[in-house]
Parts: sequence; C-alpha cells; structure tokens
Amino acid sequence: KNEVEQSPQNLTAQEGEFITINCSYSVGISALHWLQQHPGGGIVSLFMLSSGKKKHGRLIATINIQEKHSSLHITASHPRDSAVYICLKNTGNQFYFGTGTSLTVIP
Amino acid sequence: GAVVSQHPSRVICKSGTSVKIECRSLDFQATTMFWYRQFPKKSLMLMATSNEGSKATYEQGVEKDKFLINHASLTLSTLTVTSAHPEDSSFYICSATQTSRGETQYFGPGTRLLVL
Repeated sequence: KNEVEQSPQNLTAQEGEFITINCSYSVGISALHWLQQHPGGGIVSLFMLSSGKKKHGRLIATINIQEKHSSLHITASHPRDSAVYICLKNTGNQFYFGTGTSLTVIP
Repeated sequence: GAVVSQHPSRVICKSGTSVKIECRSLDFQATTMFWYRQFPKKSLMLMATSNEGSKATYEQGVEKDKFLINHASLTLSTLTVTSAHPEDSSFYICSATQTSRGETQYFGPGTRLLVL
C-alpha cells in the first residue's frame, strides 16, 4: 500500500466546473505539498500545508490532520488548468508522492 | 520567488557514455537539493537527497555508483548518469530548499534524457 493515496487518477471536466482532487496518507506529516506538472514536464509548487486551508486565486487547498486527508479544489476550471496534479507528503527529509491526477478541462 | 534551473533541458547520448545534469538555485542558497526521476505517465520518484558539502543520501534501490551526485556549493548540485543505458532514459528533476524558507520545495524544469 502506498504511503500516499491520491484520487482520482484521471479527471475530465467541462470548463467552469468545480474540481476536487483528494490525497490521503497513512502516517503523520511535517507538510503536505500540492504540485502542478504541465505537459512539458515543468513542476510548480502550488501549496505547502501543515494545517488548515490556503487559497491562491481559483485554487484552494485544505488539510485535515486528524483524518490524514488533503484536498485540492479548483473553482471555475479553465482549459489552462489541464495538467497533472501531484500531492507530496514530507516528514523531515522523507518524501512520499501520490500517483498524480491527470486533469483535462474541456472548453 | 525562488528559481531553480537545470541544464541541459534535453540530452541524447549513446549507450555507455556518461551524462552530467546540473541543478542551480539562482537567487537563494540551497541547503538541501533533491533529485527525482519520473517515468512516463508516472509520478515522481525521489532518488537522493544531497546537502552541501556532504555525501548524498540515496533512496533504496538507487545505485549510487551509477547516479553520482555532487553538491559542491550552496547553489549547485550535479547528477551524473554513468555508463548510461537505454533504461536510464527518463525525465530527471531537481528541487531545492533553503532552511530559512521552511520546507517549501522549489523545482527545476527537468532534464529529459534519451539514451540510444
């Protein structure tokens, strides 16, 4: 069993839809990161969370430490949001990656 | 924001040759740098962690004699794939952190390696 479980693996949405990507982990964390990888391969760190909720533009990330669960939400989705979203858990210098969610937003 | 660069962005080499990939932090001193490998349609796999001036710590299953990592300065880490084989073809990504910036990871753009 993976240390980090991410769902769904693939997601297709119509432009404007509200999108949720989930990440669950089995052991405590120092921080949980949400990463975005575009088709060319470049990775951008979207959020780093250790508790609560963060918002940046149309992106919202939440984490529930007790339930060991984090979600990434995209409001009013747009085709440019099409990418792979990866959750990354770290505990000190131990890193565990989710399997990634491939998101396609259709105009 | 912090910027991490990688060079080259793309490299093609013959089987048996060695390839060096550089990872540089451009506007901050990276106390720790990480190297990842990504297979097609797969998530990232951490290969090793390197701290400036000390030997890299390799993840289980990663051959340290094949993937040589050097972190000679606070702004540069290199990954050398020695005696490359076609199965080493992959996308290699580095990231860097700075203690004063907490645990935020700053990722390089990646290097696509193709071994013929």
